[in-house]
Amino acid sequence: TQLLEQSPQFLSIQEGENLTVYCNSSSVFSSLQWYRQEPGEGPVLLVTVVTGGEVKKLKRLTFQFGDARKDSSLHITAAQPGDTGLYLCAGGFFGNEKLTFGTGTRLTIIP
Amino acid sequence: DAGITQSPRHKVTETGTPVTLRCHQTENHRYMYWYRQDPGHGLRLIHYSYGVKDTDKGEVSDGYSVSRSKTEDFLLTLESATSSQTSVYFCAISELAANTEAFFGQGTRLTVV
Repeated sequence: TQLLEQSPQFLSIQEGENLTVYCNSSSVFSSLQWYRQEPGEGPVLLVTVVTGGEVKKLKRLTFQFGDARKDSSLHITAAQPGDTGLYLCAGGFFGNEKLTFGTGTRLTIIP
Repeated sequence: DAGITQSPRHKVTETGTPVTLRCHQTENHRYMYWYRQDPGHGLRLIHYSYGVKDTDKGEVSDGYSVSRSKTEDFLLTLESATSSQTSVYFCAISELAANTEAFFGQGTRLTVV
């Protein structure tokens, strides 16, 4: 079983601060996705990264895929209360049709 | 929004009874997944399907079975519900395999008493 570990598990910061959350695995990903989930809803895709070293930006969110394709980070600049939610990474692995999810980072932005 | 509907949205059942959850899609996507979500565990894959009558186990499949007789429907059955199966269950669909976007239903909150 491929495991994805996310850190930190919980993060609570003030509005306007910057933050980074991490997703790590001992296995090489064929692709990696980041989802955000709000209470009472299913996860919604934010981004997919495929190439080692790839960086993608989505407004104030920056996603980076590690060169070795074993890790990824999500950086949020000037966090806002609307960023509050559960952030999940999900990895696809070569030869495996299953999408494996990390344990999640629960982010709270305090106004 | 992707056309994916889970039913029921909430259910309370007694230990030892069978329970079936339904996932219905209108997107004609090939892949369908059942996950359970519990605090501290993220989403864990129970079973998935890669076509009609083609299913395979995930990491937490014990006590669960699935069926897919039509492209649009994927059923999850708890053969004899236990308290450890109290959870929120999510169905997801994707057009291709694991490196494409998965669309999720709104979840079913199941309580086994």
